[in-house]
Parts: sequence; structure tokens; C-alpha cells
Amino acid sequence: AQSVSQHNHHVILSEAASLELGCNYSYGGTVNLFWYVQYPGQHLQLLLKYFSGDPLVKGIKGFEAEFIKSKFSFNLRKPSVQWSDTAEYFCAVMDSNYQLIWGAGTKLIIKP
Amino acid sequence: GAGVSQSPSNKVTEKGKDVELRCDPISGHTALYWYRQSLGQGLEFLIYFQGNSAPDKSGLPSDRFSAERTGGSVSTLTIQRTQQEDSAVYLCASSRTGRLGTEAFFGQGTRLTVV
Repeated sequence: AQSVSQHNHHVILSEAASLELGCNYSYGGTVNLFWYVQYPGQHLQLLLKYFSGDPLVKGIKGFEAEFIKSKFSFNLRKPSVQWSDTAEYFCAVMDSNYQLIWGAGTKLIIKP
Repeated sequence: GAGVSQSPSNKVTEKGKDVELRCDPISGHTALYWYRQSLGQGLEFLIYFQGNSAPDKSGLPSDRFSAERTGGSVSTLTIQRTQQEDSAVYLCASSRTGRLGTEAFFGQGTRLTVV
């Protein structure tokens, strides 16, 4: 069965630190890749997505992610985090059966 | 409304009772998904509706779980004879189509607590 692995369940950073959240998936076929964010008390919202083309995608709020097909990875990055980035981040993969497969999420806490 | 709406937002029920969770997708969205998120777990796929096609029920954890989607719009997830392990946040999402390349929009979820 396909799976999505997020390496860190909890990450604590200070403001202005750089961020990289890992995401690896197991499906070998064509995939769409997503990062979703859930801010405290809010519902999930899309951060960025990759469908095709340039493997470096830019999303909202200064986030970006790079699709590396050979490594089955789609890591999320931000050069300088802010306190308002405190949230839970989910990586998701849509496979050719149109099913979204989710990682377990990473709770990110930014210390002011 | 403009977004995916779920009700109730919170539900506490006694073990053994049946519960119904409702999802109103975004108007015009043909694809509708149900997921659940338990403590410490990733989002778990439950069921997927696409237009008039037979739903993909492959994620339903047991025969106590069922879902309907009436008229291609509102969906109801029913859990019969609830158990404590059913406690979770149940999320509904819809997308314009079910094809690759379309974004899913999520509701705020229903937090179910079985006591």
C-alpha cells in the first residue's frame, strides 16, 4: 500500500531560523503532491502543490517545496520562520486512483 | 456557503450509540471525501464519492461505518454502535472534480468523542 512519511512529528525553532520538513512517499506512478497547513483552531488549508513542470514550487507565506522524483521526496522549506508559522503541517500525495494519502503531520512550534 | 460545512462541530456520544455526521460540500464540486484524524495519527481516508459513480469505500474501517451522498451534494457519515476507538476528528473535503490536479477544500471537521 502507498504511504507518506513525515520524518519529524514535532519541530521547535526560534524565529528567523530556517525550516525544512521532510516528506517521502512510496508510490512509483504519477502523483500530485501537496502540503497542507492547519493553524491552531482553524481548518486545513492548502500551502502549495505540485502537479507537473518545475519541481521547485512556491506557495503562500514564503514557503516552497522541491519535488525530487529519484528520492520520492517533497520537502517543505522556508528560509526564515515567523512565530505565526506555528501550526501543523501535512504532506499529502494523490495517486492515480484519485485517493489522497496523508502523512502523520508535523507540529511546528516557533518560539518568539 | 462559500466553503465546506460540517455539522455538528463537536459530538459526545455514549459507547454503543449511533451517530450521524453531515457534510455540505462546495456547490458544484463533484468529488467528496471523508477522512478521520485520530490522536497522533495521520489523516486516514474513509470514503470517496465522485459524481454518480459507485463510491470508493475501501477506507471504511468496519461495517459499522457507512456513508451516503444524496443528490450528488450533501453527505452523511454514519457510525453505528460507536466504540471508544472511533473518537477522532472526522474531516470532509470536496473538490471540483476528482481528477489529478484539482485541489481539495476541507471543512472544519467534527470532533467525535465516544465515552
